[in-house]
Amino acid sequence: DAGVIQSPRHEVTEMGQEVTLRCKPISGHNSLFWYRQTMMRGLELLIYFNNNVPIDDSGMPEDRFSAKMPNASFSTLKIQPSEPRDSAVYFCASRSSGYYEQYFGPGTRLTVT
Amino acid sequence: SQQGEEDPQALSIQEGENATMNCSYKTSINNLQWYRQNSGRGLVHLILIRSNEREKHSGRLRVTLDTSKKSSSLLITASRAADTASYFCATGIYAGGTSYGKLTFGQGTILTVHP
Repeated sequence: DAGVIQSPRHEVTEMGQEVTLRCKPISGHNSLFWYRQTMMRGLELLIYFNNNVPIDDSGMPEDRFSAKMPNASFSTLKIQPSEPRDSAVYFCASRSSGYYEQYFGPGTRLTVT
Repeated sequence: SQQGEEDPQALSIQEGENATMNCSYKTSINNLQWYRQNSGRGLVHLILIRSNEREKHSGRLRVTLDTSKKSSSLLITASRAADTASYFCATGIYAGGTSYGKLTFGQGTILTVHP
């Protein structure tokens, strides 16, 4: 299995631009998680889906952030408009029903200038 | 506030020595997991211990869990330079019959193993 795939790996954009991060979970996994990691705040859960349905989005910082999971093999995290404080590494993780372990992707390093 | 708090924040040891990292948490849990993160990479699951277990081993890893003290420890024996990474504990809480698998991560311990 290829593992969790994220794209792009690096993204540099200017303040005010729209940013879309993409994730392909491991085939057969039915839960998907989006995290953000910064030095100051550590690893924060933004939102998670179960069977493509958003279960808890309480970690989404504000309305500028939105996430979708149109099918079992694809999810997006969109930031519009982006701000410098959004600079972080964004991870996607997936989990199989009946198991507790999460499998993380390599992350997307976002820099907003 | 973070559910899991690791201690120490940073640990520097020589190859061959043992490394012990601790994690404390606040609420009742279903399971506790330890993850490893190499610089610039994603997190990798190491070991899981359930709330009804007290100790678990996996290779050079030993995890203990004390639910009365709401704490866990990760011991890496005979450390190697390749063990240099950040280590995170994560706690899982389940509500009712759901099993969505939400985890709350601590701030991590940075382990440096000198060859």
